[in-house]
Amino acid sequence: QVQLVQSGAEVKKPGASVKVSCKASGYHYSGYYIHWVRQAPGQGLEWVGWVTPKGETDYSQKFQGRVTLTRDTSITTAYLALTGLTFDDTAMYYCASPSSSWSDAFDVWGQGTMVTVSS
Amino acid sequence: DIQLTQSPSSLSASIGDRVTITCQTSQAITNHLNWYQHKPGKAPKLLIYDVSNLEPGVPSRFSGSGSGTNFTFAINTLQPEDIATYYCQQLDDLPTFGQGTRLDIK
Repeated sequence: QVQLVQSGAEVKKPGASVKVSCKASGYHYSGYYIHWVRQAPGQGLEWVGWVTPKGETDYSQKFQGRVTLTRDTSITTAYLALTGLTFDDTAMYYCASPSSSWSDAFDVWGQGTMVTVSS
Repeated sequence: DIQLTQSPSSLSASIGDRVTITCQTSQAITNHLNWYQHKPGKAPKLLIYDVSNLEPGVPSRFSGSGSGTNFTFAINTLQPEDIATYYCQQLDDLPTFGQGTRLDIK
């Protein structure tokens, strides 16, 4: 059974950085992308970026320069690092991935990591 | 970026009703249009992929259709457990989501 398990909730001060992890298990192949999606309170889903199996990345323009996505294939874990946190970065952060070979849709999701930016 | 506009932004319906949500893209896309259900406190759930394909395990009362810039999601015979927010998503370019449609019971 394919599963993504994320690290626990974080509370950070404005200007700080945060790093969230996402551990994958149950994949039958290594060629899966990991996407990151966030939802701020009362807002919709927002795509942050993706990291490929080879570690290549692409980001939403909104987060360019502040977000870094990485992955450690040896431990099947992906990471989202976000710097220069503001109150607007308070959100639930999800990792997600397509697990099938016939679609790129996000059929597997992590449980979410709440990041709270508070002074 | 490809922008997605969902309509309506919120919707009240009765149990047993047929419900439809539309998603208009800012430019024509191929078939990489997906629909998700999101309930509070849970991760989003994929319902429909590539316009009209039902994700395994999803009830057949959910369906999707469309092409070009206009896509439709439908729930036949609304059930109490369908109360959620629904999002369309395109994967033709860098992923983007619609703003969501909040569905509740009348």
